Parts: sequence; C-alpha cells; structure tokens
Amino acid sequence: SQQGEEDPQALSIQEGENATMNCSYKTSINNLQWYRQNSGRGLVHLILIRSNEREKHSGRLRVTLDTSKKSSSLLITASRAADTASYFCASYSGAGSYQLTFGKGTKLSVIP
Amino acid sequence: DTGVSQDPRHKITKRGQNVTFRCDPISEHNRLYWYRQTLGQGPEFLTYFQNEAQLEKSRLLSDRFSAERPKGSFSTLEIQRTEQGDSAMYLCASSVKVGQANTGELFFGEGSRLTVL
Repeated sequence: SQQGEEDPQALSIQEGENATMNCSYKTSINNLQWYRQNSGRGLVHLILIRSNEREKHSGRLRVTLDTSKKSSSLLITASRAADTASYFCASYSGAGSYQLTFGKGTKLSVIP
Repeated sequence: DTGVSQDPRHKITKRGQNVTFRCDPISEHNRLYWYRQTLGQGPEFLTYFQNEAQLEKSRLLSDRFSAERPKGSFSTLEIQRTEQGDSAMYLCASSVKVGQANTGELFFGEGSRLTVL
C-alpha cells in the first residue's frame, strides 16, 4: 500500500520557474524523505526531514513538514531542464518497520 | 564507494520461465532491500535483509518469489513460473554502513527491467 500520495501527479513548468510538489501521508512518521528518479533509472535520495523539523533547505530544494496535517511539500527553485524527473516522497510504515513506503510520485517536466 | 549494482539491466522472458536478478550493494552496507516498480507507480517494497537474515517480507512476495543473501553481501531475487503481471522494474537498495549511524536514506541501483511475454 502507498504511505504517501503526491500532488499533482504531473507538473509542467518553464525553466527558471519554481516547482512545488505536495505529499500527504497516512501514519505517524519519524522522518519523511524525498527521492528523484530520472526516466528508466534508479532513485536518488534528495533530502530527509525529521518529524521535529518544520523546514529544511538543501541547495535549490526546500522541504516543509506539517505533522498535524500529515503533509509535506518539496519546492525546487529556479528550475532547470535537468530537473525533469519524477519525484517521490517516502516514509517508514510504522514503528519498527523497515519498509520505506513510497507515494506514486509527481512527474515534473521543465521546458527549456 | 561504487554504487549499488544490478544485473541484468534488462530481461525478456516467456511466460512460465524462471528468472534471477542479482544485486551487489554498496560495500559494507548491512541492509539490503528489494522493490518492484510498475509504470507510473512508486516503488513497492518486496523484502528486506539485515546481513544474511531476511527480516521482513511483503505480502506482494508470493511463493513464486524468493530472495536470498547468503553471505550478507550480494543478493538474488528469483521469480519462478513468471507471469505477464510480473513485468516491472525490480529495484535493489542498500543502506547503513557497519559502525555508522542509520540516516534512513536508501541507495538504489539502476534496476532490472523484466518483460514477460
């Protein structure tokens, strides 16, 4: 089952614009992670935010977490064509679980 | 460190045949995971190893699927009597170097794409 659900499913923007993707999850979490996947490739870890954090930055990435709403957002600023990929949020299914559970992803297209 | 290596990258087989995928994790990572991903979906957890022990299995892992990690290093995922519904990308990931803190981050290989005709 999917722990997280990303929104929107697909997003198309012009190069230089900002891209915002949202993720909602179901159960309590210790942390929430975002991954990126280029077409036909493996996933690459982008950023992890812990449940006691509200915001985190890494380069052009900004992640927020609202545990009261069980939601997170990923903002990519000043997007580039190379940012074209699918983005997934992921969290562990529950206490003691080793299952990192992924959402269905947001497919981002950045048009040059 | 080299990354997670998966072999083969692509496999085309006929329904009913057996297939085996191999995963070589990052050196000294003691945790190894298998995931399955179909088109347009996120990865779905199949199974997890800590060293050579298989500690968690998804109900998705039917009795036609078996995974091993005999010496706590590389792992194999075998699918017996393949069905068309098994067509997917099979992803391997590893994490946690011995002696280091667990960040929760998984390192993925490039995947093995299976097509069952």
